[in-house]
Amino acid sequence: AQSVTQPDIHITVSEGASLELRCNYSYGATPYLFWYVQSPGQGLQLLLKYFSGDTLVQGIKGFEAEFKRSQSSFNLRKPSVHWSDAAEYFCAVGAYTDKLIFGTGTRLQVFP
Amino acid sequence: EPEVTQTPSHQVTQMGQEVILRCVPISNHLYFYWYRQILGQKVEFLVSFYNNEISEKSEIFDDQFSVERPDGSNFTLKIRSTKLEDSAMYFCASSGGTGLSDTQYFGPGTRLTVL
Repeated sequence: AQSVTQPDIHITVSEGASLELRCNYSYGATPYLFWYVQSPGQGLQLLLKYFSGDTLVQGIKGFEAEFKRSQSSFNLRKPSVHWSDAAEYFCAVGAYTDKLIFGTGTRLQVFP
Repeated sequence: EPEVTQTPSHQVTQMGQEVILRCVPISNHLYFYWYRQILGQKVEFLVSFYNNEISEKSEIFDDQFSVERPDGSNFTLKIRSTKLEDSAMYFCASSGGTGLSDTQYFGPGTRLTVL
């Protein structure tokens, strides 16, 4: 079955601290992996994506993610979190023009 | 930068009424999608649309739902007789379908409230 698991429902970090959001997937074909961010009341903004090649991908706002095929993971990282990063983060998997399958999301709270 | 737009941003309707949610995908995109997000839950796929027909639909997309591309720019989702459980944020997305590195770009969403 195709699925995405984000084990952390809610994460709280201090501003300036490092961040890692976990994502594990189950997908039959070669996965295309995405991280989207959703601010309160807003739509989904693409942070970064992985299709092939270098397993460490860089995205917007200083985020990066690493694809680990052996662990079926695609964790999102940021070395120093800013208060404006507080939002909901969704990991998603798909392939080419297929539907995206989303995880349940991780809500990030940032304390000053 | 091109973007997906959706109207209205918020729609309030009475149970049993029909609603039409509108989307304008990015102009040269070929694949179109609707997703929904019930408050506090994950984003769920509803339907995908290509070449003027449905490519795939989920179990949620029953006979109450329909999609249409009435002209060269709009992509609509119609709910024929709304239920309370249809209350959700509905997102439209589009992708170019031009290569393996395709990406779905999402609109800002329409919040549907069914009373």
